[in-house]
Amino acid sequence: QVQLVQSGAEVKKPGASVKVSCKASGYTFTAYLMHWVRQAPGQRLEWMGWINGGNGDTKYSQKFQGRVTITRDTSASTAYMELSSLRSEDTAVYYCARTTPRAAAGDYWGQGTLVTVSS
Amino acid sequence: EIVMTQSPATLSVSPGERATLSCRASQSVSSNLAWYQQKPGQSPRLLIYGASARATGIPARFSGSGSGTEFTLTISSLQSEDFAFYYCQQYNNWPPTWTFGQGTKVEIK
Repeated sequence: QVQLVQSGAEVKKPGASVKVSCKASGYTFTAYLMHWVRQAPGQRLEWMGWINGGNGDTKYSQKFQGRVTITRDTSASTAYMELSSLRSEDTAVYYCARTTPRAAAGDYWGQGTLVTVSS
Repeated sequence: EIVMTQSPATLSVSPGERATLSCRASQSVSSNLAWYQQKPGQSPRLLIYGASARATGIPARFSGSGSGTEFTLTISSLQSEDFAFYYCQQYNNWPPTWTFGQGTKVEIK
């Protein structure tokens, strides 16, 4: 069965970076996109970007352009999201979500990773 | 950026009653519209994609309709497990970008 398993919770200081992983299983990693979405406490879901598991192409939200980097390791069927220059407003749960390589909805989601930014 | 607006913010419904949730896009997204259910502490769960197609394993009491800029999610007879937050999402165009509505909380009346 399809599973997306994310890395554990992180606590970071302002200005630092965080890297969250999303390990995929149960399907062909290179045949899908992996999106990243975050949700701050009490807020709506916010899309950050995606990576094509096959060719490594990426697309980022303008809001996070320059601060977010999404990468993948095909040998480990794992996608990564790194967010730099963290500030308190980046405190949120970060999710990965899979789609087919077209405009599509996320059919499987990771369990979420809480990132807390605090001095 | 396409802005998604949901209404109402909160919907109070008795078990067994029908719930109707609305979602409006700031410009046409054709039928590239999804609905998700989210419960506290859980990941979003895909209910509807393509505006009206039920995702795998989703009960028939959930239905979606609409196209262009106006969309509706209907839950025909609310069960206890349906009390949750619901988000609409557009995924128009290639390369895809996503935007979500602010959510509707369906609570027990």
